[in-house]
Amino acid sequence: GQSLEQPSEVTAVEGAIVQINCTYQTSGFYGLSWYQQHDGGAPTFLSYNGLDGLEETGRFSSFLSRSDSYGYLLLQELQMKDSASYFCAAYSSASKIIFGSGTRLSIRP
Amino acid sequence: DADVTQTPRNRITKTGKRIMLECSQTKGHDRMYWYRQDPGLGLRLIYYSFDVKDINKGEISDGYSVSRQAQAKFSLSLESAIPNQTALYFCATSDLTSGVQETQYFGPGTRLLVL
Repeated sequence: GQSLEQPSEVTAVEGAIVQINCTYQTSGFYGLSWYQQHDGGAPTFLSYNGLDGLEETGRFSSFLSRSDSYGYLLLQELQMKDSASYFCAAYSSASKIIFGSGTRLSIRP
Repeated sequence: DADVTQTPRNRITKTGKRIMLECSQTKGHDRMYWYRQDPGLGLRLIYYSFDVKDINKGEISDGYSVSRQAQAKFSLSLESAIPNQTALYFCATSDLTSGVQETQYFGPGTRLLVL
């Protein structure tokens, strides 16, 4: 079947670095995206990896390894406003798009 | 003004009632999607449409129907609402020509409660 696995919760300290992992199982895979969602808000796009390697956008980076069916989102210089849920989403020719269950990131001062 | 709007934002209905959730977009995107979000389950795709004449079922289409009235409008209907359809519903759009493949732009959501 089609599925994505990511941790349900992660806690980190303000100013630190945190990595949120995502493993996927989907046929016809062609890319992995990350979305951020604050409580009560809509998901917003963060990054997309269509090729293996690291994509960097400011404090956020995303990595993809197709051979390992694995990706991660790296958040640096954490700020309190980064407290949110983060979703990985896999794009495939079979099911088009599947979202993970989300990782709730809590940041302590 | 928001690029993707949803109406209503909140709705309470009774079991067996037919309801419609509406989505409009001003982004000029061809692709539109309906998702539902339940606590701990992330976002699940209900239906999607790649243009006005194209409608496709997602992973959880049972109990739902959609209508793509125009490029800018995509409606979701619950023919006979049941309590387990209580959820947060999101509409989204995307355009492969945006420069980043499959970036999805979400509306603010509709919170539905079925009693």
